[in-house]
Amino acid sequence: DAGVTQSPTHLIKTRGQQVTLRCSPKSGHDTVSWYQQALGQGPQFIFQYYEEEERQRGNFPDRFSGHQFPNYSSELNVNALLLGDSALYLCASSSQGVGGYTFGSGTRLTVV
Amino acid sequence: DAKTTQPPSMDCAEGRAANLPCNHSTISGNEYVYWYRQIHSQGPQYIIHGLKNNETNEMASLIITEDRKSSTLILPHATLRDTAVYYCIVRVGKKTSYDKVIFGPGTSLSVIP
Repeated sequence: DAGVTQSPTHLIKTRGQQVTLRCSPKSGHDTVSWYQQALGQGPQFIFQYYEEEERQRGNFPDRFSGHQFPNYSSELNVNALLLGDSALYLCASSSQGVGGYTFGSGTRLTVV
Repeated sequence: DAKTTQPPSMDCAEGRAANLPCNHSTISGNEYVYWYRQIHSQGPQYIIHGLKNNETNEMASLIITEDRKSSTLILPHATLRDTAVYYCIVRVGKKTSYDKVIFGPGTSLSVIP
């Protein structure tokens, strides 16, 4: 049973560019949450998608946006990249309000 | 903000039980206690969760106090592979709530040979 799949695994972008990260949830899960994890810190909640709509949002600027597709997969978009956006971006899937989250291995984004 | 407090770090001898405490004094009646761990450079891994009864699975045991204001995750026979950051989280479990899992800084557990 495939877990959560994230792509790409590593990415290097230049300041000011835009990036799209992708996530395929675990089979049977309908909810996708995105997290940003800076080095040495716990994951910070960005937003959560359910039924193709953003349902919850953390304290992140509008440069961070997302999308969920009918097959429950999701994208995270970050515009106008800053050096401070360099982090591990984690995707987690779940069934709404039930059970634990399943996390992917993350995408390591480096902004230079 | 995270609703839990945990010690920043702990050590445990290999083969001994690791007992990781968590305080969640503001927990609501419909909130569950969840534990995750994160091994270096990997995504967090779900360990166990509970509401008010003690729980056990193949990975760990979860002991929740009667007043539900604190809990302890127990790894019965810690191995070097259990070295990780452990996160304690409270989360509403109702299917109709659009909940979000908020991580605190967690406890960095080092298992020592």
